[in-house]
Amino acid sequence: GQSLEQPSEVTAVEGAIVQINCTYQTSGFYGLSWYQQHDGGAPTFLSYNGLDGLEETGRFSSFLSRSDSYGYLLLQELQMKDSASYFCAVSLQSGTYKYIFGTGTRLKVLA
Amino acid sequence: DAGVTQSPTHLIKTRGQQVTLRCSPKSGHDTVSWYQQALGQGPQFIFQYYEEEERQRGNFPDRFSGHQFPNYSSELNVNALLLGDSALYLCASSLDARTGGGNYGYTFGSGTRLTVV
Repeated sequence: GQSLEQPSEVTAVEGAIVQINCTYQTSGFYGLSWYQQHDGGAPTFLSYNGLDGLEETGRFSSFLSRSDSYGYLLLQELQMKDSASYFCAVSLQSGTYKYIFGTGTRLKVLA
Repeated sequence: DAGVTQSPTHLIKTRGQQVTLRCSPKSGHDTVSWYQQALGQGPQFIFQYYEEEERQRGNFPDRFSGHQFPNYSSELNVNALLLGDSALYLCASSLDARTGGGNYGYTFGSGTRLTVV
């Protein structure tokens, strides 16, 4: 079967740094993506890792280790608006074909 | 630049009925994927349409069917509704890799909240 594991909930204060981990077991792997979803909203694409290493996009960074079947999303200088659910998603083929999503991590940012 | 548009936003149906959900992809995108998201869960892949054909399918019964039109818009049909079909249905569009897209992620719509009673 396919599984992606994430912590269910993470809490941090404004200005802090938080890391959301994702471990995966899938039949095939092409890349790992991260999506943000606010309550009642659409998932929004944050980042993609196809190769091992760190990708940085502003306050967000994402890391992948293919040998460990592991990745993480790092959020720096947390803001209240970062309170949302974060999903890791594995793409099994090249291009934006079928994704397998994790169950999501609910991030609460406290003032 | 219009993003992905889904209609209706909310829908209440009775068990056994049939429902059709609609999606207009982001301008320039040619691929449409449908996902089901139960409360507190991650989206689950239903199927994907490209060039008016179903290209990939997830573990959903044949009660779930779809269509893509020449203008790339898409419909999701669910027959013989069950209580367990209550969920947020998300449409996501993208540009196929063969037509210039890449691993840049989907653009999701805000979804249709379906409640089956």
